[in-house]
Order: sequence, then structure tokens, then C-alpha cells
Amino acid sequence: GESVGLHLPTLSVQEGDNSIINCAYSNSASDYFIWYKQESGKGPQFIIDIRSNMDKRQGQRVTVLLNKTVKHLSLQIAATQPGDSAVYFCAENGGNNRLAFGKGNQVVVIP
Amino acid sequence: DAGVTQSPTHLIKTRGQQVTLRCSPKSGHDTVSWYQQALGQGPQFIFQYYEEEERQRGNFPDRFSGHQFPNYSSELNVNALLLGDSALYLCASSLVRPSRWHYGYTFGSGTRLTVV
Repeated sequence: GESVGLHLPTLSVQEGDNSIINCAYSNSASDYFIWYKQESGKGPQFIIDIRSNMDKRQGQRVTVLLNKTVKHLSLQIAATQPGDSAVYFCAENGGNNRLAFGKGNQVVVIP
Repeated sequence: DAGVTQSPTHLIKTRGQQVTLRCSPKSGHDTVSWYQQALGQGPQFIFQYYEEEERQRGNFPDRFSGHQFPNYSSELNVNALLLGDSALYLCASSLVRPSRWHYGYTFGSGTRLTVV
């Protein structure tokens, strides 16, 4: 089936800098996208979501951008902190409350 | 307000055995989904339960089965375990009818299953 994938496996970022994580999706019928953060030994933790009728959504220190033309999703983290070190997944809901995940992108924050 | 709770946290089984994993959804949620996450991979959808019935199923063999109880809790059963079944099994609860457009999809911390 169609799936969500991430471009970069690992992102190293200096503490205080901004991080950008990218994600490509292939199911044009998906209407809802979520970014999750997963720390070692824990389940995925909701960060931010966006619906397909939006281009941008902001949260606390995070922004999600959606480009439906090229089926691209990105997560921007402002002023990255050591606690942001984790694996980040994008997921899409193609319908019926069922999520499709990509492989994940490791973010390493350098103090 | 308790989130999604899963038990046990870790489990070691022998090839060919059977295993049962348990999940209690977040208060107020009525739908439970199960995911398998292999090491270094994203979670893969196994199946989803609502009103005590399996509503959707991913690409997993019949060895994987489940159940949902009247209190919305759920079990995942895997028969005839294979080495490849070793993974983190995640339970997620949500609302079948989302509040506005947010499904409230909440994950538990998972059960780490090791098959030897």
C-alpha cells in the first residue's frame, strides 16, 4: 500500500538552532497528518497535526508545513533543546482513523 | 487522567508459543488500534477494534488476532510465534467520531516482545 517516508535518517543540530525534518507522502487521499516524537523505550508522543485543507500550523516551538502539490510535510522545531533528541515520525490518516507511518528520523541535539 | 496503559512492559517467549498482550484505552476513548514496531522502523498497523469488533486490518497473518471488551480494553493475541515477531507492540486509543477534526490518537508505551 501507499506509505509515508522520511528523507534523512539522522539530523544533528546544535542546541539553540532550529531543526527541520522532512517527510514525503504518497497517498493523495490522506486528509490528516500527524508528527510524533518517540523517545527510547516510550510510545509515540503527539507533537502537532494538520489537516489537508491547511498549509501551515503552529504550536509551541513547532510548526508543521504541508505542501499538497508535491506531497511534502515538514516539521520545524525552533530553538532546539537537548530534550528534543528523539526519533520523529510523520504519519498520515488515509481514512478510517488508521495511520500509516514512515521509518523515522533521528534528531540528535549537540549541547 | 490515565493515558493508554499496556501490560506487560516486557516479555520473552519461545518460538512456537502463544502470547497475549493487554491494553486499556485512555478514558473517554472507544476505539483501540494495535501496531507492530520493529527495531528502527515506524509502527505498522495490525488491526483496529470498535464496539468489540475488528473494523480494519493491516497486512498481518491470521496468527494475529484480537479482542475488545465492553469496557473498551483490548487484547492482542499472537499464535505460533516466530523470531520475526520480536518487536515493540503499541496500542493506540482514539475516538471513532473525532472531536472536530482531532482524533485524539494516543499511544501507550508498548510491550517489548522478544521471541527466542
